[in-house]
Amino acid sequence: EAQVTQNPRYLITVTGKKLTVTCSQNMNHEYMSWYRQDPGLGLRQIYYSMNVEVTDKGDVPEGYKVSRKEKRNFPLILESPSPNQTSLYFCASSLRGLASDEQFFGPGTRLTVL
Amino acid sequence: GNSVTQMEGPVTLSEEAFLTINCTYTATGYPSLFWYVQYPGEGLQLLLKATKADDKGSNKGFEATYRKETTSFHLEKGSVQVSDSAVYFCALRGKAAGNKLTFGGGTRVLVKP
Repeated sequence: EAQVTQNPRYLITVTGKKLTVTCSQNMNHEYMSWYRQDPGLGLRQIYYSMNVEVTDKGDVPEGYKVSRKEKRNFPLILESPSPNQTSLYFCASSLRGLASDEQFFGPGTRLTVL
Repeated sequence: GNSVTQMEGPVTLSEEAFLTINCTYTATGYPSLFWYVQYPGEGLQLLLKATKADDKGSNKGFEATYRKETTSFHLEKGSVQVSDSAVYFCALRGKAAGNKLTFGGGTRVLVKP
C-alpha cells in the first residue's frame, strides 16, 4: 500500500530534551515536506526537500532541523524543544515538486512539550 | 506572497442540506488549487484539485471551479451526509521555490442527522 508513515504518533516530552520524528514514504517520491498544524492557522511548512541531500527552509523553520540522506526518509529533529513547538505535525510527499502534483500526507504526530 | 482565505467555521448543517465553503486566494502566476479533507483523528486527504483557470475538480459529490477572475475556488456539495463531517482545507501550490502548499485556516463542518 502506498503510504507515508510517521512515528511516533503521540509524544509528550519536556523542554530541552532532543527528539526526532521519523517520516518514511514508499512511493519513490522526490519531494518531501514537513508541516505543523495549529488551530486557526491551517498548516504551515517547516522544511522541504526537493530530492536526496537537498533541503530548504519553509515558513517556520526556527527550532527545527531535517536531513534527507535517503529518498524514502525525511526525519524532523527538534534539538531543544520548547512549549511553543507543541503542535500537530504532518509529513507529506509528492512525486516531484511541481505545482500540479498531489501531496500525500502521513497520519500526523501530536507533540506536547511541557 | 501567496495566501488563502476561507470562511471560518464551524458550519453546522442538517443531512441532505447544500454545503458551500468559500475560498479565495492571492498568488503570483498560475497556481494549482486543492481542497483537502481531514476526518477526525486522521491526516489530510486530497478531495479534489484544479490546475488551470476554469477547470472544475470533482470527487465524492463535491465540486469546485477554478475562477481566476475572482481568485476563488469555492467548494460545494448538493446533499451532505453525516459522514461528510470533517475539517476542510483550501490550499494552493505555486511555482515558487519549494512549491509548498499554502493552506487556509480550515473550516469545520458538522452534519447532523
